[in-house]
Amino acid sequence: DAMVIQNPRYQVTQFGKPVTLSCSQTLNHNVMYWYQQKSSQAPKLLFHYYDKDFNNEADTPDNFQSRRPNTSFCFLDIRSPGLGDAAMYLCATSREVAGGGDTQYFGPGTRLTVL
Amino acid sequence: QKEVEQNSGPLSVPEGAIASLNCTYSDRGSQSFFWYRQYSGKSPELIMSIYSNGDKEDGRFTAQLNKASQYVSLLIRDSQPSDSATYLCAVKGNQGGKLIFGQGTELSVKP
Repeated sequence: DAMVIQNPRYQVTQFGKPVTLSCSQTLNHNVMYWYQQKSSQAPKLLFHYYDKDFNNEADTPDNFQSRRPNTSFCFLDIRSPGLGDAAMYLCATSREVAGGGDTQYFGPGTRLTVL
Repeated sequence: QKEVEQNSGPLSVPEGAIASLNCTYSDRGSQSFFWYRQYSGKSPELIMSIYSNGDKEDGRFTAQLNKASQYVSLLIRDSQPSDSATYLCAVKGNQGGKLIFGQGTELSVKP
């Protein structure tokens, strides 16, 4: 059974056209994360939610926003995608942010192409 | 110095051999350590988590942690071609710090 689900799996957008990526989870985890991963690079954390508390990384561009309307869903909004935003976007969840419950489980990812 | 360092590889081993993947980290206060496997074009898949010094075994996989040396490793016994992937070491500091990934080691298991 899929535990972390991302939609769509592949997204093509035009330069500057807003796009929204979706993540849902059936694990009832408190924490949801969004990562950006470019080819041959490590995943880069953009932000995370602990319940409804939003935590933005200092170097995440303003072009990236996120919403978490409920425990199960989290969205990544890219307001004006540039060519440099083409990447795999990974959603992950964990029960807690520290201690034994901080293991992160990743969804299958959304591959974003910007034309 | 990078926060989490791995040899990028590729590491090539014959089928049936032991593959040894190594990782060092700079934050002495790190508390949680993870190994993920990532096939090309796919998302990271958790292989092992380890929190205490020593060895932790799960099937063909053994994670080893030495906090004094700031070193964590993953051994894969009886390597199979299906183990060919990039292995990401990830480390988390205390107090809920973010997960820091290494650049990954590419493993190739030759039949």
